[in-house]
Parts: sequence; structure tokens; C-alpha cells
Amino acid sequence: NAGVTQTPKFQVLKTGQSMTLQCAQDMNHEYMSWYRQDPGMGLRLIHYSVGAGITDQGEVPNGYNVSRSTTEDFPLRLLSAAPSQTSVYFCASSYSQTSSGNTIYFGEGSWLTVV
Amino acid sequence: GQQVMQIPQYQHVQEGEDFTTYCNSSTTLSNIQWYKQRPGGHPVFLIQLVKSGEVKKQKRLTFQFGEAKKNSSLHITATQTTDVGTYFCARRGLENSGYALNFGKGTSLLVTP
Repeated sequence: NAGVTQTPKFQVLKTGQSMTLQCAQDMNHEYMSWYRQDPGMGLRLIHYSVGAGITDQGEVPNGYNVSRSTTEDFPLRLLSAAPSQTSVYFCASSYSQTSSGNTIYFGEGSWLTVV
Repeated sequence: GQQVMQIPQYQHVQEGEDFTTYCNSSTTLSNIQWYKQRPGGHPVFLIQLVKSGEVKKQKRLTFQFGEAKKNSSLHITATQTTDVGTYFCARRGLENSGYALNFGKGTSLLVTP
């Protein structure tokens, strides 16, 4: 059971480049989300999805796009990277049945540097 | 979103000392979750509290949810070097937010032998 898998683990981008952070889960979770973590800021929600074909914005969505074509995958796209997007990115997933009692599982993170 | 505030931001203790981190909200919380993140690692779910005045224990860790459901605490008895990391509290949102988490900024714990 792989859980939540994120790739790549490390990436360096030049300003203006585009890239996609991949996230896959094998637990048949309906809810998936992306967070970014910056020093002293905790984790902030970028985008989330409540099921295949459904996505919505979180607290800091600007500069990022997402899609959810399958239950398993929830990629995060940076269309034109900026130095302000240098951060650690975490994908997370959980079951949908109830809002309480369902553990949220995090991937191991993707360290992104934009120069 | 509604923020949860955590104090202290940092705590440095000697191994064997106790440690407590506090999580506060200006509004009533339906639930509070606690996570631990080791240096260089990812957040790992520890526990969820939902009932007023609830107290849960996991070995040396004691979690409390305030009577008014506006605050919570995590207490570690007799810290060990393996307790090093950042402890986050988080409020889990409603279904219309995808049950997304609203995190506090965390308390970083350093334990020296």
C-alpha cells in the first residue's frame, strides 16, 4: 500500500518555466488537496477536490491550476513559475464519508525552488 | 478562513522535561486535529478531538479540548529526543471546503539530551 505518492521530490525551476507536481493515492479516497508550507507560515491550502471532475480553490490558489480526471490522481500545475512559489508542497487525501474521524494522509512533499 | 493560533512558536527543553503547546481560536471549533512533522518530513496525523472537554492520551502525549471548544492543548510528559519536530493543530473545515484543514503555524520542539 503506497498511500500518497508525490513526484518529483526535488525540483529547481527558472522563472517563467512551467511544471506539474504529480500526486497519486491508492486508497480510493475521494478528497484530495494541495498545501504549501513556508517557514513560519504553517501549511496553507492551495486547491482541493471533493471527487473526480470537481475542484475548487483554497486559501492561496493564484499561480496554480489543478484537475481531477481520475479518483487516484490530482496534479498541481505551475504555468509560469515565480520565485514566490519557492516552497515545499504537500498533497493530502482522505475518505469522504464524514467530516470527522477520517485521517488525512500526506505525501512526503515536493521541494520546489524557483530561481 | 478561520484561523487557529498556536503558542509558543518554539520550545527548547532538556530531555525528561515536560512540554505543552496551545491552540486557540476566536470562534467555536467543531473539531481539532493534531499533527507532528519531523524535520524534513511530512505531517503525520496524531489525533482528532470533537467533544467539549475531551481528553485523550497516547502514551506520553495528552490532548485536551476546551470546555468551550475554543482551545486545545498537547502535553508531552518526560520528553525524549524522538519527540523533536513541529506540532501543528488544525481545524478541519466543512464538506463544502473538501474538509480541508486550516493549520496553526506550529510549535517547533527541540529536545536536547
